Amino acid sequence: GQNIDQPTEMTATEGAIVQINCTYQTSGFNGLFWYQQHAGEAPTFLSYNVLDGLEEKGRFSSFLSRSKGYSYLLLKELQMKDSASYLCAVMDSNYQLIWGAGTKLIIKP
Amino acid sequence: DGGITQSPKYLFRKEGQNVTLSCEQNLNHDAMYWYRQDPGQGLRLIYYSQIVNDFQKGDIAEGYSVSREKKESFPLTVTSAQKNPTAFYLCASSSNRGHTDTQYFGPGTRLTVL
Repeated sequence: GQNIDQPTEMTATEGAIVQINCTYQTSGFNGLFWYQQHAGEAPTFLSYNVLDGLEEKGRFSSFLSRSKGYSYLLLKELQMKDSASYLCAVMDSNYQLIWGAGTKLIIKP
Repeated sequence: DGGITQSPKYLFRKEGQNVTLSCEQNLNHDAMYWYRQDPGQGLRLIYYSQIVNDFQKGDIAEGYSVSREKKESFPLTVTSAQKNPTAFYLCASSSNRGHTDTQYFGPGTRLTVL
């Protein structure tokens, strides 16, 4: 079966750096997406990786290793507004998104 | 402003009633999707449509129905056959010019069955 694993919850301090991991086992791979979702709101797109390596976008970076079935989202200079759930999703061989359950990130002052 | 709208934001329904959730987009996107989100689970695909007048079942289509008569609109009906309909429903769209196009989401409708 297809599976996406992420930690359920993480806690970090304002101003610090946090890394949210995602491992996947899917039938085929056509890219990995990260979304941010604040409580009760819609997911918003953060990043897309299809090749191995690091993609940097401001305070957020996303890394992919296809051989290891592994990705991480790196958040730097954490702000209180970064408190949210972070969703990892993989596009499989049928171009359907398979979603992880999300990682709830709690930022403390 | 371009975007995706869903209405209503909150919806209450009695058991045995059908209810229709609205989704409209003005992004000129070809593809539209309906997902269901439950606590502690990933988003699950209910139905999707890549072009007007065509749609396909997702992983959990039982108890739901859709239509795609216009490019801008993709309403979802939750029927009385859906055993556990209380959930957060999300509509999304993508341009579909490339298969891996990013999906953009509407604000969601929270359905509660009383």
